Amino acid sequence: QKEVEQNSGPLSVPEGAIASLNCTYSDRGSQSFFWYRQYSGKSPELIMFIYSNGDKEDGRFTAQLNKASQYVSLLIRDSQPSDSATYLCAVIGGSSNTGKLIFGQGTTLQVKP
Amino acid sequence: EAGVAQSPRYKIIEKRQSVAFWCNPISGHATLYWYQQILGQGPKLLIQFQNNGVVDDSQLPKDRFSAERLKGVDSTLKIQPAKLEDSAVYLCASSFSGGNNSPLHFGNGTRLTVT
Repeated sequence: QKEVEQNSGPLSVPEGAIASLNCTYSDRGSQSFFWYRQYSGKSPELIMFIYSNGDKEDGRFTAQLNKASQYVSLLIRDSQPSDSATYLCAVIGGSSNTGKLIFGQGTTLQVKP
Repeated sequence: EAGVAQSPRYKIIEKRQSVAFWCNPISGHATLYWYQQILGQGPKLLIQFQNNGVVDDSQLPKDRFSAERLKGVDSTLKIQPAKLEDSAVYLCASSFSGGNNSPLHFGNGTRLTVT
């Protein structure tokens, strides 16, 4: 079982729709969860982080965390073509506090005009 | 704030040759990471430094890869000898403290092609 799992996609949504990206993780002790966006040929850039169960909103982005289900998601409202990218879920934690960030394989999002 | 600097941006070498990458983290960031990202995959942690000490190198192929962070600032990652499967983007990242609540900031990466 991979430590962090994502559906590689591609996930295709029309412009203006809500894109829902999902991620599961195996280490129940994980404490911090991050979403990075990566455009083709570019390095990952941080979009959101969440530490507590529930929802966290930042503009058009909402991160949702459910530690009991070991599930974290990212919702993108009013999707734009410029949102087309690979979205990487990353997890820190477990029993250590070393900041070791483990990535999923990423979900490719395509927003069609 | 200046970001994480990496060089070179691109490198093409033949198998069995050696190569080195350089990284300068964000000023004041104690923790430095080297990740390997193979095309179509998520980044994989190779080594993590806290200041000039190694925190985690469990996935570093130590028979051919080495890394150092002298004086707790700049870092170099070396591959010797390179194999075809080392073709990837090598990403350097830094964070303020390395704790669980300290986000990573990535450099632009070095794209390595081994022929």
